[in-house]
Amino acid sequence: AQTVTQSQPEMSVQEAETVTLSCTYDTSESNYYLFWYKQPPSRQMILVIRQEAYKQQNATENRFSVNFQKAAKSFSLKISDSQLGDTAMYFCAFMKLGGTGNQFYFGTGTSLTVIP
Amino acid sequence: KAGVTQTPRYLIKTRGQQVTLSCSPISGHRSVSWYQQTPGQGLQFLFEYFSETQRNKGNFPGRFSGRQFSNSRSEMNVSTLELGDSALYLCASSLWDRITEGELFFGEGSRLTVL
Repeated sequence: AQTVTQSQPEMSVQEAETVTLSCTYDTSESNYYLFWYKQPPSRQMILVIRQEAYKQQNATENRFSVNFQKAAKSFSLKISDSQLGDTAMYFCAFMKLGGTGNQFYFGTGTSLTVIP
Repeated sequence: KAGVTQTPRYLIKTRGQQVTLSCSPISGHRSVSWYQQTPGQGLQFLFEYFSETQRNKGNFPGRFSGRQFSNSRSEMNVSTLELGDSALYLCASSLWDRITEGELFFGEGSRLTVL
């Protein structure tokens, strides 16, 4: 079974500063995807960034980047130049490849508050 | 392109009743999955449907059921409601036309309160 752990229930950061959200996972699979999803107070969850496990290069999307350490099973999200609109719940998620269908495993989330 | 639409957005039920929630996926998406979100528990996977067939099921009791129609719209049903069923129920759709395709597109959710 796969498990995803987010050990930081709440975090805050000053506007324009950088913050890192932690995520670890446990799996025996070798092929999988990892995701960070953002759920703003309006509640519609949106994809922030995606990482394929077979790619060694860390994914980057504008101000968002990940630090993927496959051997350590760690997948942290770095948000640079934090903006007020980054205030949201962030979920780390795991999806294994090669199975039948679409089954994601989510962490319990980190609530991030950007302080003006 | 319209996003994932869930109805109703809010509902209140009493213990023992049943409830049906509806989800209309993004046009062209054939995979629909359901999640239960509660504070401190994150998102718990309920089930996933693809082309009217349930492909995966999470670890929930049989009171939770679902189905998918030929137009990919999906419903989930919870019978004999318990207080612990109070949660935000999220529906997500995805293309799933290749083995590597996996991004989920979420609806805004249906907030169920059981009294």
